[in-house]
Amino acid sequence: DTAVSQTPKYLVTQMGNDKSIKCEQNLGHDTMYWYKQDSKKFLKIMFSYNNKELIINETVPNRFSPKSPDKAHLNLHINSLELGDSAVYFCASSQEGHSNTEAFFGQGTRLTVV
Amino acid sequence: GENVEQHPSTLSVQEGDSAVIKCTYSDSASNYFPWYKQELGKRPQLIIDIRSNVGEKKDQRIAVTLNKTAKHFSLHITETQPEDSAVYFCAASNDYKLSFGAGTTVTVRA
Repeated sequence: DTAVSQTPKYLVTQMGNDKSIKCEQNLGHDTMYWYKQDSKKFLKIMFSYNNKELIINETVPNRFSPKSPDKAHLNLHINSLELGDSAVYFCASSQEGHSNTEAFFGQGTRLTVV
Repeated sequence: GENVEQHPSTLSVQEGDSAVIKCTYSDSASNYFPWYKQELGKRPQLIIDIRSNVGEKKDQRIAVTLNKTAKHFSLHITETQPEDSAVYFCAASNDYKLSFGAGTTVTVRA
């Protein structure tokens, strides 16, 4: 069973469209995250949720709206997509933040905006 | 916020030799320092981590050292093998986010 799964794996869309990426974890973790990896492989935190509550919003444009319907899910909705949004987006989860247990990453969603 | 610097950006080693990657961090509140390995097109995967109350940790061919006073930590891979070729990321954390270094592309020459 995949511990952290996100869908879709690939997403190609036009500028201006709205799209969503879904993430689910079956590890029973309390904390979920979204990270963005740009074309230079740099990984940067976008959001952290703990028990469905937003903990960190790392100066992400408000076109990005995470939603956590329950502890096992953290979805990412992006409005009015721009070329600069093209990247690989990784969902991750851990137990009570990063300091207690390792973070498990999903397989990534490669978003290409054309 | 936390700033993590990682060196070198690329590292080429002969199979069987050792590889060393060094990172520095800026936030003295950081208390957790994981290292991730990312193969091409794959997800980052934890290979070893260390917490701020420990100075050194070893797992088979991989070891990590932490110097809290100097705010730097290092990854050591001994007896490198071709399957060690990947991008390695260091990170520092204070609970709810990981601040990553820019990555080191390691190539092990057969």
